[in-house]
Amino acid sequence: KAGVTQTPRYLIKTRGQQVTLSCSPISGHRSVSWYQQTPGQGLQFLFEYFSETQRNKGNFPGRFSGRQFSNSRSEMNVSTLELGDSALYLCASSGQGNGYTFGSGTRLTVV
Amino acid sequence: AQSVSQHNHHVILSEAASLELGCNYSYGGTVNLFWYVQYPGQHLQLLLKYFSGDPLVKGIKGFEAEFIKSKFSFNLRKPSVQWSDTAEYFCASSEAGGFKTIFGAGTRLFVKA
Repeated sequence: KAGVTQTPRYLIKTRGQQVTLSCSPISGHRSVSWYQQTPGQGLQFLFEYFSETQRNKGNFPGRFSGRQFSNSRSEMNVSTLELGDSALYLCASSGQGNGYTFGSGTRLTVV
Repeated sequence: AQSVSQHNHHVILSEAASLELGCNYSYGGTVNLFWYVQYPGQHLQLLLKYFSGDPLVKGIKGFEAEFIKSKFSFNLRKPSVQWSDTAEYFCASSEAGGFKTIFGAGTRLFVKA
């Protein structure tokens, strides 16, 4: 079956702009989680969605937001980009709490 | 707050050596524990998981991990590593029934051929 698909794979944005990242989970998986991965901080939890509801949120500013659609696809949005937002953004889907299946990530560079 | 600590950031071994990567978690309640692996150029993938039952868990590619509740530990082991085990390994935990998984900082393993 198809894996977790994240688009786009790479993005270059300018400070102050906003960006939207997309994630399509494995078919049948209703839970989607987002992580930010950087060399210094490792994997930091952003938020988790299940059936269009955000069930948990990490310690990120309000500039980071997300949503989930009825088909379980999810998007995350970062507004007013800062240089420090440069990172690999990972999406992971889960079915019945059996651990994550990760996508390949979107590498965001803010210049 | 829930946290996961991995003891070694970098490990270098020769092929056929035994491997043990340390992991400690901080949550005092019932936890689910995981090890994930990221091979060079590939995405993170699940190596093994512990939810309940037998504290010795076997995963893919000959890896195993032992849950020791009294030590809040979940160390990863492999009796004999191969060059192809070169990767970054992440320990992770989540509260049982929770909706957030916390990852350790990762351990980069390099296996010399």
